Amino acid sequence: QSVLTQPPSASGTPGQKVTISCSGRTSNIGSNYVHWYQQFPGTAPKLLMYRSDQRPSGVPDRFSGSKSGTSASLAISGLRSEDEADYYCAAWDDSLSGPVFGGGTKLTVL
Amino acid sequence: QVQLQESGPALVKPSGTLSLTCTVSGGAISDYHWSWIRQSPGKGLEWIGYSSYTASTNHNPSLKSRVTISVDTSKNQFFLRLSSVTAADTAVYYCTRSQYYYDTRSAFHVWGPGTMVTVSS
Repeated sequence: QSVLTQPPSASGTPGQKVTISCSGRTSNIGSNYVHWYQQFPGTAPKLLMYRSDQRPSGVPDRFSGSKSGTSASLAISGLRSEDEADYYCAAWDDSLSGPVFGGGTKLTVL
Repeated sequence: QVQLQESGPALVKPSGTLSLTCTVSGGAISDYHWSWIRQSPGKGLEWIGYSSYTASTNHNPSLKSRVTISVDTSKNQFFLRLSSVTAADTAVYYCTRSQYYYDTRSAFHVWGPGTMVTVSS
């Protein structure tokens, strides 16, 4: 049981916009930044979004992030086949004094 | 460009101790925060703990007192020891570096490729 809640799956067709949600509590998302990671099968996760809405160098601007209250979301516009991956949200948790993760969302491009 | 590489036994016996090393290249380990994260087969990510450049450490309370994380600045390596392992500790173990040296809460910016550890007799 993950501390942050994500839908287990999401899907879309090429060119569409898909949004992945991440729900938490005051002690984590409500008080701290949210980060997002992208993971392809058999590889390590890669930082996709940091401080809720900041893209690391090299991440296309098709990816965007937002946060409101105790929830956050990752949006992918202009969906492409190479976006098919698992996506994880994470945030520092003040109660734990450490980071917590969502269970991950498997994105399928139909 | 900082790179991380995990190493250690792929198989550990139940009740034994899992010991992993993360070797840091391309940057000094005396800066930033260094964490271990694991991923059980087919499951999500779990933070294990970190050691910071200030030598402070913290770990996930769910792992109780089984975790020890340490740093050897002379070798540019950091280590994970997890004692009294069970099958539930079977996972891919990743070492990571924080995005900002001054911020424990910053994202995991650099990841090693991961190493699979199986707990089995």
